[in-house]
Amino acid sequence: EAGVTQFPSHSVIEKGQTVTLRCDPISGHDNLYWYRRVMGKEIKFLLHFVKESKQDESGMPNNRFLAERTGGTYSTLKVQPAELEDSGVYFCASSQDRQSNWDTDTQYFGPGTRLTVL
Amino acid sequence: RKEVEQDPGPFNVPEGATVAFNCTYSNSASQSFFWYRQDCRKEPKLLMSVYSSGNEDGRFTAQLNRASQYISLLIRDSKLSDSATYLCVVQGAQKLVFGQGTRLTINP
Repeated sequence: EAGVTQFPSHSVIEKGQTVTLRCDPISGHDNLYWYRRVMGKEIKFLLHFVKESKQDESGMPNNRFLAERTGGTYSTLKVQPAELEDSGVYFCASSQDRQSNWDTDTQYFGPGTRLTVL
Repeated sequence: RKEVEQDPGPFNVPEGATVAFNCTYSNSASQSFFWYRQDCRKEPKLLMSVYSSGNEDGRFTAQLNRASQYISLLIRDSKLSDSATYLCVVQGAQKLVFGQGTRLTINP
């Protein structure tokens, strides 16, 4: 079974440009999460989709970040316009939707997209 | 104060040694607890879940003390392949909250 995939693996852009990151979750996983690790800091939660709906977007840093999950399959995270402090590694994770046992629902991570804003 | 705090490390230990990591968390409403492992420039991977009764998986033993809000991981008979960053992770309302990680290097 394929794991979580992310594209691109690396992106180098200039300040002010737009970048779109893509995540394909494990097939059949209703939950999709975005996390980010900036240099020297811990991995931090950005947002959570259940199918196509945003369940929790409390971690989104500001309105320059827009996440979508049309059709409840893959997700995109757009940064527009990018700023220097947006540099970091963006991870996507997915998990099954087992409402009766959510507390042991493992989140599987993708390899991440390393974003560098110059 | 960070929600999840870990030993800063780095830990450098000889092969075969026993090494222990500690972690504290601030949110008493947290529901689930994990140790993840992250190799250099790779994604985090679940190492083991942590339960109040304590649990063991081969050379790895994890403990949770809810009263003290404290989590530990013990690695016995360490191998070169155990070299990685170990992340203490707490879950509440489905999102994961990560500690900064402790870097472990096992030396031959």
